[in-house]
Amino acid sequence: AQSVTQPDIHITVSEGASLELRCNYSYGATPYLFWYVQSPGQGLQLLLKYFSGDTLVQGIKGFEAEFKRSQSSFNLRKPSVHWSDAAEYFCAVGAINFGNEKLTFGTGTRLTIIP
Amino acid sequence: KAGVTQTPRYLIKTRGQQVTLSCSPISGHRSVSWYQQTPGQGLQFLFEYFSETQRNKGNFPGRFSGRQFSNSRSEMNVSTLELGDSALYLCASSFSEETQYFGPGTRLLVL
Repeated sequence: AQSVTQPDIHITVSEGASLELRCNYSYGATPYLFWYVQSPGQGLQLLLKYFSGDTLVQGIKGFEAEFKRSQSSFNLRKPSVHWSDAAEYFCAVGAINFGNEKLTFGTGTRLTIIP
Repeated sequence: KAGVTQTPRYLIKTRGQQVTLSCSPISGHRSVSWYQQTPGQGLQFLFEYFSETQRNKGNFPGRFSGRQFSNSRSEMNVSTLELGDSALYLCASSFSEETQYFGPGTRLLVL
């Protein structure tokens, strides 16, 4: 069964500082990997995704993530955070078999930005 | 294109009642998935529909059911509501077996 671990429940960074959110996954084959962001009371917005190819993927809002198969990781990074980045971030793994559309999410990392 | 829409956005019910939530996917998307989000359990997969057929189901009791119509719109129903059913219910649609796009959710409060 697939699973996702986000070891950091809450991270606080200063505005303008760099950010890295950790994600480790468990899946028997090559996974589809995603990062979503959720603002309070809102749905999930897709930041970026990895299916295959270049292991460094670029997303919206200046985010990027790197897929490392050897470490089963898909960490999210941003070089300089803005106050508007404060939100909860979810890493997810998806199955790639047809007929098995299902995302398994990590528990999320809440990001707080301090001025 | 319009995004995924969910109605209603907020709902208050009492224990024992039933509730129906609606989801309209992005135009052209044929797959609709439902997730439950609670502070204690996080985001959990409920079920997924494709072309009016349930293809995948999560580990929820039979009180949770769903259906999909020919226009890909989907509904989920929860019967005999329990306090623990209070949650944000998220619907997501996708074009193929790839990216799921989420709606804003329906927040259900069971009293």
